[in-house]
Amino acid sequence: AQKITQTQPGMFVQEKEAVTLDCTYDTSDQSYGLFWYKQPSSGEMIFLIYQGSYDEQNATEGRYSLNFQKARKSANLVISASQLGDSAMYFCAMREQYSGNTPLVFGKGTRLSVIA
Amino acid sequence: DTEVTQTPKHLVMGMTNKKSLKCEQHMGHRAMYWYKQKAKKPPELMFVYSYEKLSINESVPSRFSPECPNSSLLNLHLHALQPEDSALYLCASSPGDRARQETQYFGPGTRLLVL
Repeated sequence: AQKITQTQPGMFVQEKEAVTLDCTYDTSDQSYGLFWYKQPSSGEMIFLIYQGSYDEQNATEGRYSLNFQKARKSANLVISASQLGDSAMYFCAMREQYSGNTPLVFGKGTRLSVIA
Repeated sequence: DTEVTQTPKHLVMGMTNKKSLKCEQHMGHRAMYWYKQKAKKPPELMFVYSYEKLSINESVPSRFSPECPNSSLLNLHLHALQPEDSALYLCASSPGDRARQETQYFGPGTRLLVL
């Protein structure tokens, strides 16, 4: 069984500063994928970034980067130069790779508030 | 284009009503999902369709009835719901072709209130 743990219920960050959202995971799968989603108050789940378990480089997408430490089973999201629009709920999720429609397993989420 | 659309955006219904939620994607994805999300909680999987066939039903009560008329459309038929069914209902799709990444793309959701 897979499990995602997000230990920070809420985080505050000053505008233009960087922030790290923590995510640890547990799985017996050898091949898996890790995802981060952003959910603003409007409700839509927005895909941010993906990291495969065999990817040698940490994933980056614009201001988002994923700090992947496989031995520690952690996949932290780093947001650089925070903006007011980054205020939202952030979910870490995982699933087995190459398995078609295997469901995502979500963490409980971290609410990020960006302060002007 | 990674757009998944959902209608309606908001829905208020009584416990004796019948209504339907609709979801559409034109990305050629072959897997489609329904999730239920209560406030301050992560999404909970309800159903998964793969190549228009129901592949996962997470023990959802029969008052929720999914339907996949074709590869682009996913419906959720609602009947005799309870107030505790009030939630945000999210639809998602993914390629469904056993790709390495298999990202799920979500729609904006339908906020349902059952009175």
